Amino acid sequence: AQSVSQHNHHVILSEAASLELGCNYSYGGTVNLFWYVQYPGQHLQLLLKYFSGDPLVKGIKGFEAEFIKSKFSFNLRKPSVQWSDTAEYFCAVTPNSFQKLVFGTGTRLLVSP
Amino acid sequence: DSGVTQTPKHLITATGQRVTLRCSPRSGDLSVYWYQQSLDQGLQFLIHYYNGEERAKGNILERFSAQQFPDLHSELNLSSLELGDSALYFCASSVEASLNEQFFGPGTRLTVL
Repeated sequence: AQSVSQHNHHVILSEAASLELGCNYSYGGTVNLFWYVQYPGQHLQLLLKYFSGDPLVKGIKGFEAEFIKSKFSFNLRKPSVQWSDTAEYFCAVTPNSFQKLVFGTGTRLLVSP
Repeated sequence: DSGVTQTPKHLITATGQRVTLRCSPRSGDLSVYWYQQSLDQGLQFLIHYYNGEERAKGNILERFSAQQFPDLHSELNLSSLELGDSALYFCASSVEASLNEQFFGPGTRLTVL
């Protein structure tokens, strides 16, 4: 079945550690890719998005993601995490440019001070 | 604050009842989307309205319905509620029906007892 997979369900890091969260999708054709973050008790916020062009996308708060078409992947990275990055991170895809977002299952990140 | 408002914030009701969730999009946004976030299903797209017209349907049960009014606010009606309908219901809005960023509201947490 077509889907979005986030392989890490829970990640625990110490402050200043580097972060990489995996996201793979199984849709063919044109896709648009997003990472959303949900801080505790808050709504979903867009971290970054990829529509076309440079596959290395920079987002807010020092996050970046790389689109690798051959691997159907869009991994999220941050070189040095902070305690305030503790949140749940969702990868999302709009398959074939349709507007609906298909979300992965989310990754809960806990950053210990 | 994304500019998308949802009411009520919390709703507790009994099985078999009917509830209405309300969403006001950001000023100027014509598209409204509804998503359901539950522990077992994750974040799932329910339905999309653009300028009063239904544009796309996702995994929305027949017991659920939605509409978008001339002032562009939207309501999601959930009837014959079951325990499994307990979830967080998010509304999102965007400027157009074609692809662009969706801004999410704070959600309505529905608990069915």
